[in-house]
Amino acid sequence: DAGITQSPRHKVTETGTPVTLRCHQTENHRYMYWYRQDPGHGLRLIHYSYGVKDTDKGEVSDGYSVSRSKTEDFLLTLESATSSQTSVYFCAISEFGSNYGYTFGSGTRLTVV
Amino acid sequence: TQLLEQSPQFLSIQEGENLTVYCNSSSVFSSLQWYRQEPGEGPVLLVTVVTGGEVKKLKRLTFQFGDARKDSSLHITAAQPGDTGLYLCAGEGVNNNDMRFGAGTRLTVKP
Repeated sequence: DAGITQSPRHKVTETGTPVTLRCHQTENHRYMYWYRQDPGHGLRLIHYSYGVKDTDKGEVSDGYSVSRSKTEDFLLTLESATSSQTSVYFCAISEFGSNYGYTFGSGTRLTVV
Repeated sequence: TQLLEQSPQFLSIQEGENLTVYCNSSSVFSSLQWYRQEPGEGPVLLVTVVTGGEVKKLKRLTFQFGDARKDSSLHITAAQPGDTGLYLCAGEGVNNNDMRFGAGTRLTVKP
């Protein structure tokens, strides 16, 4: 009954390889977000989507791209992974926008070696 | 860029004690949210406050939004081990979908 699932939950990849993380929702919410969480920095917004094919950059978007071809799926791609992208990545959804609060997924722990 | 500073960064107390954690900024927020996060999981929304001076209660948790909408506090009465977790505040700036998070207060409640 999670309503939002992220895959994979854990991934180890090598520097320079492309990586795609998936977020899937069953709530039919309009807004979807990708955040990264690092010690001492809190959660920082990477990209967000306000509808199918409608996306925008967040605070730390360099090195990341996103796609949303269906309401339920929001993909985050690291074009060429770097060690600085080692982090825990969270997807979040919101029915009316961030002002009304998020429902977060359980996260993906990504390690770039 | 609005920054949210949370204090204290770490807090360890005994079961039954009261505590207050703070979220401060120099920026005005249209709304402010509190989340609790447990290890290995995503944050869970506790409350959203939108009006300056607003107070909301959730069982033993009391949330207050500052009159100027720049700061907030979370007070827990008679803390229990189940309250252990990372408490995050998040503020929405003047532009929609510009939510910024504080780094959090990590609370440990010992039995």
